[in-house]
Amino acid sequence: KQEVTQIPAALSVPEGENLVLNCSFTDSAIYNLQWFRQDPGKGLTSLLLIQSSQREQTSGRLNASLDKSSGRSTLYIAASQPGDSATYLCAVLTGGGNKLTFGTGTQLKVEL
Amino acid sequence: GAGVSQSPSNKVTEKGKDVELRCDPISGHTALYWYRQSLGQGLEFLIYFQGNSAPDKSGLPSDRFSAERTGGSVSTLTIQRTQQEDSAVYLCASSLARDRDRNTEAFFGQGTRLTVV
Repeated sequence: KQEVTQIPAALSVPEGENLVLNCSFTDSAIYNLQWFRQDPGKGLTSLLLIQSSQREQTSGRLNASLDKSSGRSTLYIAASQPGDSATYLCAVLTGGGNKLTFGTGTQLKVEL
Repeated sequence: GAGVSQSPSNKVTEKGKDVELRCDPISGHTALYWYRQSLGQGLEFLIYFQGNSAPDKSGLPSDRFSAERTGGSVSTLTIQRTQQEDSAVYLCASSLARDRDRNTEAFFGQGTRLTVV
């Protein structure tokens, strides 16, 4: 059974700081890994998708890496802003492609 | 439409009543997922539809829960005889993924917040 863990559970940083969020998964037989953000009371917004054959993806200030063999992904956020405050979730697609298994998220707060 | 649409956005129902939650996926997306997010909890997989294949119902918590997808597009999640523990946000997602291609992005709707009183 695939299990996804995210560390830390919560993080508070001053504006402008670079930061790294971690995601680990137990079954390396994944199709892809996706990072999402969720604002309070809202749905999930897709940030980055890394296919199983890829090592990293970049979008603006965000960079996500994937090391499938060790079951790890990191999300790097450069020059953090208060608008980045949200819960960040990683999810892996496994189970014959039928199921996205989510981590419990990292709650990020960027302070002025 | 531009994104995944869910309705209603909020639903308050009395214990024991049946409810129907609706999901309109992105046009052309063949894969559709339902998830549940309880207060302070992670996302719990409920059911998955892919094209005309039999759905993966392995996440449905009890036989009070059912879902269908008509014409390969709109999906309805039905909860019969609702209980207070059914209170949660129900999220729907769709992706372009076809049977042999799993490397496409999943897009989520804004969810339906269900409160059972």
